[in-house]
Amino acid sequence: DGGITQSPKYLFRKEGQNVTLSCEQNLNHDAMYWYRQDPGQGLRLIYYSQIVNDFQKGDIAEGYSVSREKKESFPLTVTSAQKNPTAFYLCASSIAGLGDTEAFFGQGTRLTVV
Amino acid sequence: QKEVEQNSGPLSVPEGAIASLNCTYSDRGSQSFFWYRQYSGKSPELIMSIYSNGDKEDGRFTAQLNKASQYVSLLIRDSQPSDSATYLCAVNIDGNKLVFGAGTILRVKS
Repeated sequence: DGGITQSPKYLFRKEGQNVTLSCEQNLNHDAMYWYRQDPGQGLRLIYYSQIVNDFQKGDIAEGYSVSREKKESFPLTVTSAQKNPTAFYLCASSIAGLGDTEAFFGQGTRLTVV
Repeated sequence: QKEVEQNSGPLSVPEGAIASLNCTYSDRGSQSFFWYRQYSGKSPELIMSIYSNGDKEDGRFTAQLNKASQYVSLLIRDSQPSDSATYLCAVNIDGNKLVFGAGTILRVKS
């Protein structure tokens, strides 16, 4: 089945740790996105990538890093510089890279700082 | 001004009624508009996309777009309790990124 797979579903991070969230898609989509959602709030764009080996910062990129070495993979690292990382993280992909086609989401990763 | 704005609600409608959800956006050059539904604790799922002025219908859902007024709406006819969710409006901004509104909570009461 084609789709977007995020792992893990739940992740616990200790203070000062870096953690990496996985996002893989087999839809052959060019564009991939990472969003953060806090309770009762909408989605905020962290990073997006329109093509392999290229990515741009979104509205809240501080404390996060990404890579796009393969078309199907767009991992997100939450670094220790991100002071309030507890949130629901959503990865999405779309056919074209300009945000002008439908984006489809993975099931999300819920990150909690312990 | 936020790039994409929605009334947070909650919007409460009785079962069988029409629910009307609204969204405004700041980028006059935006060309692509999407409505997503998100159940609590789940990821958003796409309901409708609309690219041209006017109405687009799909089953009980109708999306309406007015680019001159920078306004997009979603109508849900014959609302059902299973439609109770948060509805997110998403707009292509600056020609290269997809920006979401904060969402409107819809409650359909049986």
